[in-house]
Amino acid sequence: EAGVAQSPRYKIIEKRQSVAFWCNPISGHATLYWYQQILGQGPKLLIQFQNNGVVDDSQLPKDRFSAERLKGVDSTLKIQPAKLEDSAVYLCASSLVSGVSNREDYGYTFGSGTRLTVV
Amino acid sequence: DQQVKQNSPSLSVQEGRISILNCDYTNSMFDYFLWYKKYPAEGPTFLISISSIKDKNEDGRFTVFLNKSAKHLSLHIVPSQPGDSAVYFCAATGGGADGLTFGKGTHLIIQP
Repeated sequence: EAGVAQSPRYKIIEKRQSVAFWCNPISGHATLYWYQQILGQGPKLLIQFQNNGVVDDSQLPKDRFSAERLKGVDSTLKIQPAKLEDSAVYLCASSLVSGVSNREDYGYTFGSGTRLTVV
Repeated sequence: DQQVKQNSPSLSVQEGRISILNCDYTNSMFDYFLWYKKYPAEGPTFLISISSIKDKNEDGRFTVFLNKSAKHLSLHIVPSQPGDSAVYFCAATGGGADGLTFGKGTHLIIQP
């Protein structure tokens, strides 16, 4: 089974520039998540999709961050304009099911992430 | 407001001995807990999980214990092996949500 694919692996941009990250989840996984991991911290959930609908974006800084999952498969996360404090690893994850049932069969899997450096 | 706390940034254990990693949480709505292992430049890898209806879950060398009254869980690795050296994250979810809330991680170092 192929894992969660993310690209690019690394990106360096200047502040106020824009950047986009791409994620392809595990085939058949309806739920897709974007997390931000700042150095020395645990991953923090930015947004959760169920198919192509947003379930939770309460922690997404909507003034500069946007995400979409148009066909319910691939997803892109965009930052415009970037700030220095956006330097982090952006992780995409997918899971088979959502909701309180079937937790044991979550299949919650992370990609390797995109390391963003804003200078 | 840290809802999941891992108070030990690092832990050093001798090979063959037991490694015990601790995690505390504050949100009573959490009902499912997970441990992830992370190597540098890789994404977190699922290790083991436990539902709030259980107090113990075992998988090979890995055992997770949950003490709901104390809002505390721990991960035991026995025996510890060099390949276990990594950062371990405790995560929790619940209250109808699926997003995970993570602790800051504990860097486990297994010494030969």
